[in-house]
Amino acid sequence: GENVEQHPSTLSVQEGDSAVIKCTYSDSASNYFPWYKQELGKGPQLIIDIRSNVGEKKDQRIAVTLNKTAKHFSLHITETQPEDSAVYFCAVTNTNAGKSTFGDGTTLTVKP
Amino acid sequence: EAGVAQSPRYKIIEKRQSVAFWCNPISGHATLYWYQQILGQGPKLLIQFQNNGVVDDSQLPKDRFSAERLKGVDSTLKIQPAKLEDSAVYLCASSASGGGVDLVNEQFFGPGTRLTVL
Repeated sequence: GENVEQHPSTLSVQEGDSAVIKCTYSDSASNYFPWYKQELGKGPQLIIDIRSNVGEKKDQRIAVTLNKTAKHFSLHITETQPEDSAVYFCAVTNTNAGKSTFGDGTTLTVKP
Repeated sequence: EAGVAQSPRYKIIEKRQSVAFWCNPISGHATLYWYQQILGQGPKLLIQFQNNGVVDDSQLPKDRFSAERLKGVDSTLKIQPAKLEDSAVYLCASSASGGGVDLVNEQFFGPGTRLTVL
């Protein structure tokens, strides 16, 4: 089955700095790569996603890059704010099989 | 639109007891997922329904876990009997569709049920 590795497990940055989280996967058939933000006591919420026919996608301060050859993708958050503090999960999906595999999460702390 | 509803939010039981969780997905969503999230880990898929049929239950411990989605709308997940290692948050999610490259795959998650087995 699919194997997803997410790094780092914890990340602490100063407000205004950038944060980068990386995920690697094993199944070359995977074609959909969402990122979720999970706040304490809540379910994960989609913040950005990318499909395998696109190399980069940006939404305001958040961007995702995908390297299909190397089988890795990254979440980039610029100008971080304290409210960005949360646990971030990557997921890897083979939409033809309809199955998603999640990374183990990155706890991001943004210090004011 | 209303989000995914789950109940109860918290449950504490003793090992070997039974427990059931309920999920009501977003109206019109064909696909429903149950995930188990152990503390410090990402969600792990237990079972996926497309309408009222099971698409994937390969990671569901079928000797103790069962799930159903009657009439293709809400769903229940049951554990009988519970073990200590079942302590986790059980997340329900739904999506408008469950597959296909060009279809919408975004999953919407409920708040989860935190289960503690003593």
